Amino acid sequence: GNSVTQMEGPVTLSEEAFLTINCTYTATGYPSLFWYVQYPGEGLQLLLKATKADDKGSNKGFEATYRKETTSFHLEKGSVQVSDSAVYFCALSDRSGGATNKLIFGTGTLLAVQP
Amino acid sequence: EAGVAQSPRYKIIEKRQSVAFWCNPISGHATLYWYQQILGQGPKLLIQFQNNGVVDDSQLPKDRFSAERLKGVDSTLKIQPAKLEDSAVYLCASSLEGGADTQYFGPGTRLTVL
Repeated sequence: GNSVTQMEGPVTLSEEAFLTINCTYTATGYPSLFWYVQYPGEGLQLLLKATKADDKGSNKGFEATYRKETTSFHLEKGSVQVSDSAVYFCALSDRSGGATNKLIFGTGTLLAVQP
Repeated sequence: EAGVAQSPRYKIIEKRQSVAFWCNPISGHATLYWYQQILGQGPKLLIQFQNNGVVDDSQLPKDRFSAERLKGVDSTLKIQPAKLEDSAVYLCASSLEGGADTQYFGPGTRLTVL
């Protein structure tokens, strides 16, 4: 079945460091890909998405490119801030069951940014 | 625009008791989802509604979990009787339609079963 694998955390960085969180997926067909972020005590928020191969999603300085050849959707940011500390989830939309549009999530990666 | 509302935010119950969660989706959103997020894991879909019809409930433990969406708006998720392994955060999400539309999540209800 469809699945998402993302790098385990925690990832600890100093402020202004470069961030990469790896995400790879297994899917039949052509799913849409998402990054969601969960700040402490809050619900999941969509960070960015890409709906087809070679699309680049971007938001708040974060970027991810849909790479079909490597089945990857790695999250990057050039310079992280303390306020970026959160749990990041990679997800795909699973249409394999017909009408359903359920999201398949990775296990999440905790990012801690130190001043 | 108001987001997805959920209540209660926290609930603690004894095993074998029953519990119910409520969700009010974003106005106009036809599709509503309930996810279960166990600590240290990503959310897992329990049930998806399109208006007031069930689209996918393949991962809903139907012997103890039930959900309804009357009039295609609000939804309730019930657990009866609860087990220790039901301790999790229950997330409600909504989207305009199915397909690849963005799902917007509520703050979740954290359930602890003792």
